[in-house]
Amino acid sequence: QVHLVQSGAEVKESGASVKVSCKASGYTFTSYFIHWVRQAPGQGLEWMGVIFPSDSSTDYAEKFQGRVTMTRDTSTSTVYMEVSSLTSDDTAVYYCARAVGYSPDYWGQGTLVTVSS
Amino acid sequence: QSALTQPPSVSGSPGQSVTISCTGTSSDIGSYNRVSWYHQTPGTAPKLIIFDVSRRPSGVPDRFSGSKSGNTASLTISGLQAEDEGDYHCNSYRGSTTFVVFGGGTRLTVL
Repeated sequence: QVHLVQSGAEVKESGASVKVSCKASGYTFTSYFIHWVRQAPGQGLEWMGVIFPSDSSTDYAEKFQGRVTMTRDTSTSTVYMEVSSLTSDDTAVYYCARAVGYSPDYWGQGTLVTVSS
Repeated sequence: QSALTQPPSVSGSPGQSVTISCTGTSSDIGSYNRVSWYHQTPGTAPKLIIFDVSRRPSGVPDRFSGSKSGNTASLTISGLQAEDEGDYHCNSYRGSTTFVVFGGGTRLTVL
């Protein structure tokens, strides 16, 4: 069955960067998009961007352009998302999620990133 | 402030029906049949329950139905059960600049 397993919780200082991983299994890695969505404490979901593992093409939400980088490693079926110049507003649970298009079906368990000032 | 507007909360008794609205614009919901709904319980990841406005993934009960009129999408849950409690999030495609937008989420309470 489909599984997306994310890396563990992170605590970072303001101004630092964080890199979250998402390891896929149970399906053909290069046939589906991987989206990244975050959820601040007590808030709704916020779309950050998407990567297509087949050709490594990416699309980012305008808000995150220049500060977020998504990459993939096809040898390990893993997608990475790096966020730079962290502030307290970036404290959130970050999810990766698989999709054929823009409606993610399977989601990772989430990675809590806490930014301390 | 989220791009799509949802009511903060709704409630209903077991067996009743509830409808959750999701209002967008002519740039997203009004232009594309790419509306999805997700159910999320505390501490867990969202679960897809409706995609492409009204289609259900395998395993989702037919008590869950989706529709769209103009710039507003709706999720209806009939025959409410205690397990339906949680947060419901809508999203929509918005074209090649913004791509995906979400609503702020609606907390469903089963009385």
